[in-house]
Amino acid sequence: AQSVTQLDSQVPVFEEAPVELRCNYSSSVSVYLFWYVQYPNQGLQLLLKYLSGSTLVESINGFEAEFNKSQTSFHLRKPSVHISDTAEYFCAVSPVPGGGNKLTFGTGTQLKVEL
Amino acid sequence: EAGVTQFPSHSVIEKGQTVTLRCDPISGHDNLYWYRRVMGKEIKFLLHFVKESKQDESGMPNNRFLAERTGGTYSTLKVQPAELEDSGVYFCASSQGRLTGGWRKETQYFGPGTRLLVL
Repeated sequence: AQSVTQLDSQVPVFEEAPVELRCNYSSSVSVYLFWYVQYPNQGLQLLLKYLSGSTLVESINGFEAEFNKSQTSFHLRKPSVHISDTAEYFCAVSPVPGGGNKLTFGTGTQLKVEL
Repeated sequence: EAGVTQFPSHSVIEKGQTVTLRCDPISGHDNLYWYRRVMGKEIKFLLHFVKESKQDESGMPNNRFLAERTGGTYSTLKVQPAELEDSGVYFCASSQGRLTGGWRKETQYFGPGTRLLVL
């Protein structure tokens, strides 16, 4: 079984400031890692994912996340946030093939960008 | 290309009533998933269809929940009778992967969710 911990339920930050949303996971098997974002009144959208290869993955809108196997972490970062980044962010894992594709999510982090 | 759609967007019912949620996956997607988020908690897996077959229903809370996917296209999730603790947001997701002796790790595309409130 897998579990995901997002310690920060809310993160307020000023526009153009850097931000880090933390994600730690626990699993007895290898996992794939994902960050999903939910903008107000919309569904979940995949932001980025780590399947294999380079441990640093990037999204098209400036977010990046680094897979750290020794610390079982997959923190999400952005060097300069914009008002439009205000949303709820979910970290998720799924077991490497053999365990199905079901996602295990964290409780989410509400990012609020202020002027 | 149309995304995953869910109907209704909101539903308010009384305890003991029946509610049916519908999900239309992206055309051609064999995999269909149901998830639920209870207020303030994590999004939890309910079940997974591959075409019309239930691949994994380990997350279904109890036998008041019945999911179907006749013909391998849209899916319904019926709650009968509804209880107060069933309130939450029900998400549907779909992905294109095929079973080929192992699972292809395909991106799951989520719908906007159905907000269910049981009074």
